[in-house]
Amino acid sequence: AQSVTQLGSHVSVSEGALVLLRCNYSSSVPPYLFWYVQYPNQGLQLLLKYTSAATLVKGINGFEAEFKKSETSFHLTKPSAHMSDAAEYFCAVESSASKIIFGSGTRLSIRP
Amino acid sequence: GAGVSQSPSNKVTEKGKDVELRCDPISGHTALYWYRQSLGQGLEFLIYFQGNSAPDKSGLPSDRFSAERTGGSVSTLTIQRTQQEDSAVYLCASSLAAGAKVNEQFFGPGTRLTVL
Repeated sequence: AQSVTQLGSHVSVSEGALVLLRCNYSSSVPPYLFWYVQYPNQGLQLLLKYTSAATLVKGINGFEAEFKKSETSFHLTKPSAHMSDAAEYFCAVESSASKIIFGSGTRLSIRP
Repeated sequence: GAGVSQSPSNKVTEKGKDVELRCDPISGHTALYWYRQSLGQGLEFLIYFQGNSAPDKSGLPSDRFSAERTGGSVSTLTIQRTQQEDSAVYLCASSLAAGAKVNEQFFGPGTRLTVL
């Protein structure tokens, strides 16, 4: 069965610092992976997705994620954090039954 | 609008009452999902509809929860005899079809359910 694990329920970085949100997956088949973001009092929206076309995936708002099969990871990064990046971030994997399994989420806080 | 809509946006009910939550997916989307997001928790999958196939109900927490999708469009999530632990934000999402290449899910704003 497919699953994802997000390490760290809360990450805090300074404005302008590197953002790194960790996600590890478990899948018996080549996975399709996603990062979603939920801004305060808003619904979830897709940041980026990996569907095996390229291991480095670029998303909206300067975020990117790299698929590393050897590490079973799909960490989300952004070189320089902005105050507007403060949100909840969810890693997700598509199961063999075509439904999306979400991680428990990581809340990102940005310090001025 | 062109997005997923949900109603009501907020619902306060008394323990033991039944509630119905509605989701209008994006027109043409054949897949529809319901999730529950409790305070400080991730998204808990509840149920998944794909076209005319039998729904995947594997995430429903108890037989008090049910959902239907009429005409392949609008969906209603029903919670009978609500309990305080049912308090959460209920999110609906739709996607064009199953399969990752087209499986980007578009989420509605959610219904915040409070059971007193």
